[in-house]
Amino acid sequence: ETGVTQSPTHLIKTRGQQVTLRCSSQSGHNTVSWYQQALGQGPQFIFQYYREEENGRGNFPPRFSGLQFPNYSSELNVNALELDDSALYLCASKPLDNTGELFFGEGSRLTVL
Amino acid sequence: AQKITQTQPGMFVQEKEAVTLDCTYDTSDPSYGLFWYKQPSSGEMIFLIYQGSYDQQNATEGRYSLNFQKARKSANLVISASQLGDSAMYFCAMSFGRTGANNLFFGTGTRLTVIP
Repeated sequence: ETGVTQSPTHLIKTRGQQVTLRCSSQSGHNTVSWYQQALGQGPQFIFQYYREEENGRGNFPPRFSGLQFPNYSSELNVNALELDDSALYLCASKPLDNTGELFFGEGSRLTVL
Repeated sequence: AQKITQTQPGMFVQEKEAVTLDCTYDTSDPSYGLFWYKQPSSGEMIFLIYQGSYDQQNATEGRYSLNFQKARKSANLVISASQLGDSAMYFCAMSFGRTGANNLFFGTGTRLTVIP
């Protein structure tokens, strides 16, 4: 039990649509990051938020965007969905003074048709 | 550029035996962290063990130990006394800099199957 919850667990969208995925972290976890995990691959870093501002980004286009809220919740938004966006999206959080593990949620599995 | 390599797509181990999962990495950054995560079919990434690049001793956490060979740039995970519940995907990951695991670079994973 990591204390990180994600919703929805599964969803299906069609190409060109927009999607919002949500994450709720533990109290005190003021750093949140999002990862995309395609089938058979390891997770890839999308971006990270600290104190409601993006402060790190992987190799993902601007149609991937996010928000972080003061109540330790966050969102991942993806516009203009493409077939290759089908993946498991993982949210991870940690407190600022933790140099060790990230706490992951169980992910949201997105299928784009 | 940083790179994590896991060369074993799948591994089998007999229950109660030990197994080693391989991981090699490549970086020119002197400060980094190495992690192992377990991912069961539920999808959640479960933290197993962490090794910092400046740590002198190999990390251990219960049945998990990390065989850290800095000169060879390898960070193999050893699971002792395997249990059926250990069947899962295992990922090696790396972070950089002294700010900790703000973002991780993952390998492609190894699927471990424990045989009764």
